Amino acid sequence: AQKITQTQPGMFVQEKEAVTLDCTYDTSDPSYGLFWYKQPSSGEMIFLIYQGSYDQQNATEGRYSLNFQKARKSANLVISASQLGDSAMYFCAMREELDDYKLSFGAGTTVTVRA
Amino acid sequence: EAQVTQNPRYLITVTGKKLTVTCSQNMNHEYMSWYRQDPGLGLRQIYYSMNVEVTDKGDVPEGYKVSRKEKRNFPLILESPSPNQTSLYFCASSLSGQENIQYFGAGTRLSVL
Repeated sequence: AQKITQTQPGMFVQEKEAVTLDCTYDTSDPSYGLFWYKQPSSGEMIFLIYQGSYDQQNATEGRYSLNFQKARKSANLVISASQLGDSAMYFCAMREELDDYKLSFGAGTTVTVRA
Repeated sequence: EAQVTQNPRYLITVTGKKLTVTCSQNMNHEYMSWYRQDPGLGLRQIYYSMNVEVTDKGDVPEGYKVSRKEKRNFPLILESPSPNQTSLYFCASSLSGQENIQYFGAGTRLSVL
């Protein structure tokens, strides 16, 4: 079974607007971490934001915030005030203690920011 | 500078010719891992290592070997590459624990003809 599901293969967003990337996950482990990575066209994997399963507050890092809804097993990424440089592939990933801390990835969402 | 270094960045080879992709990290991380990235599939784990001399299979280990003789190095070996191993490969390292960020190398784009 898929551990991480990203249902949006591609999205367009206007510059300066916000965009929400969906991510749902599946785990029975009470202790896990959720991560978002950005992959620009150059190919490198860039860490964006982390949310722990026991964290009470949603994580924020600059223009990135994570909308964590534990009961729904949802960890959506919100990018505010989109910039042209935000055009990239975005991956949601989960790390579980019971799975030897393996990082399981979703299929990714491609974001294209329009001027 | 803290980094994960993998080489080569690009490689074109032929079926059956053994190759090694090297990976080295300078952050004293005990956990290292190899992934392959294919369109529509995200990144899938090939092998991982929780410490020196400790390695284990990930989701797609067939056709690959690894070793972890030193903490900083984690080479990926393809004994007899086949065209279905054409992919983008990433090495990553981190501290153990579900809360720790994995840091990725720049990637190796492999084509097997």
